[in-house]
Amino acid sequence: DVKVTQSSRYLVKRTGEKVFLECVQDMDHENMFWYRQDPGLGLRLIYFSYDVKMKEKGDIPEGYSVSREKKERFSLILESASTNQTSMYLCASSPGDRVLNTEAFFGQGTRLTVV
Amino acid sequence: SQQGEEDPQALSIQEGENATMNCSYKTSINNLQWYRQNSGRGLVHLILIRSNEREKHSGRLRVTLDTSKKSSSLLITASRAADTASYFCATDEENSGGYQKVTFGTGTKLQVIP
Repeated sequence: DVKVTQSSRYLVKRTGEKVFLECVQDMDHENMFWYRQDPGLGLRLIYFSYDVKMKEKGDIPEGYSVSREKKERFSLILESASTNQTSMYLCASSPGDRVLNTEAFFGQGTRLTVV
Repeated sequence: SQQGEEDPQALSIQEGENATMNCSYKTSINNLQWYRQNSGRGLVHLILIRSNEREKHSGRLRVTLDTSKKSSSLLITASRAADTASYFCATDEENSGGYQKVTFGTGTKLQVIP
């Protein structure tokens, strides 16, 4: 079974702190994604990566950066956390083949609270 | 803006009834997927329908896709209390770099009353 593991289930950080959210997948997937989920807004794509050291901005990249130094790990970085970044963060991965087998596998989510 | 918009936002039905959720999207897609999310958890993939398919079944799930209207529907037949969850559609668009980008809608919250 594919496993996508997010390092923390719950996290509380202070405004202005640098925050790292880690995500690891064990199925050698090329694509990895970071979303945030807020009530009434669904899932919004922050960043995605289709290969090591490659990244693409999603729909709401402002205030975030990412790092993909190894294929299995995709990190989301909040450079200076703000209260409006309080949210549920979901990591996902999917195979990169172009045969349209594009089911995405999700981690359990990290509920981040910025105080 | 959201690529996918689900309708209705919330749905409450009795156990045994059928539940229908709709999804509309804006751009051309390679495929469309439906996911389920139990409260406070990650998403679980339910079914994928390719852009050249019109209908697909999986157990009690039936998905239709109308690319001319840019819409899809998910039907859950003979619903059970355990089907209570949020349901999201997701579309796979090829971006300008030729890579897959998966975007989700706002979701339909389904409550099945025992």
